[in-house]
Amino acid sequence: DQQVKQNSPSLSVQEGRISILNCDYTNSMFDYFLWYKKYPAEGPTFLISISSIKDKNEDGRFTVFLNKSAKHLSLHIVPSQPGDSAVYFCAALTGANNLFFGTGTRLTVIP
Amino acid sequence: DAGITQSPRHKVTETGTPVTLRCHQTENHRYMYWYRQDPGHGLRLIHYSYGVKDTDKGEVSDGYSVSRSKTEDFLLTLESATSSQTSVYFCAIRTAQGTEAFFGQGTRLTVV
Repeated sequence: DQQVKQNSPSLSVQEGRISILNCDYTNSMFDYFLWYKKYPAEGPTFLISISSIKDKNEDGRFTVFLNKSAKHLSLHIVPSQPGDSAVYFCAALTGANNLFFGTGTRLTVIP
Repeated sequence: DAGITQSPRHKVTETGTPVTLRCHQTENHRYMYWYRQDPGHGLRLIHYSYGVKDTDKGEVSDGYSVSRSKTEDFLLTLESATSSQTSVYFCAIRTAQGTEAFFGQGTRLTVV
């Protein structure tokens, strides 16, 4: 049973606009949440993370929001650029050091 | 690069044969993970290790075994490969203090 879920398999956004990628989780014991970006034929690369005790973390164009009561997090990319086109994975880390991933969302930024 | 190498990068094997994939790191990170990536399933954890000779099962461990006899190497073995194990396999490493994991380039395995 998937503990981390990304219900949107794909998202298309115009260049310069905001991209919002969503993620839901079921395990309230997750300590950290992470976002990864993946290009074809490459391994995933780390983007940004957030501790379970925070509700927002920002790094340049990327902001992650955490809503613990809803067990939901989102990644905002502003402004979106064509180079952001990739598959984005949400991940969650437990205290036992298991790292679980969602199914991914393919983002396409249209020039 | 996080100093993590997977080998082989590509492999085609026949059903019923044993296969071993290797993950090698030069970072001395404590945690190592094996994932498989399949369409519609994302990245699923197969096994992970939290130290030499210390391993545990992940979400999809059936049909797989692992070994970690040295800090730098984490081996994934398919004892008798099946077509359902055709996938892209990724290894990841993480420090004891860090949160993010660093991934290798992946191994594409095809079982025919």
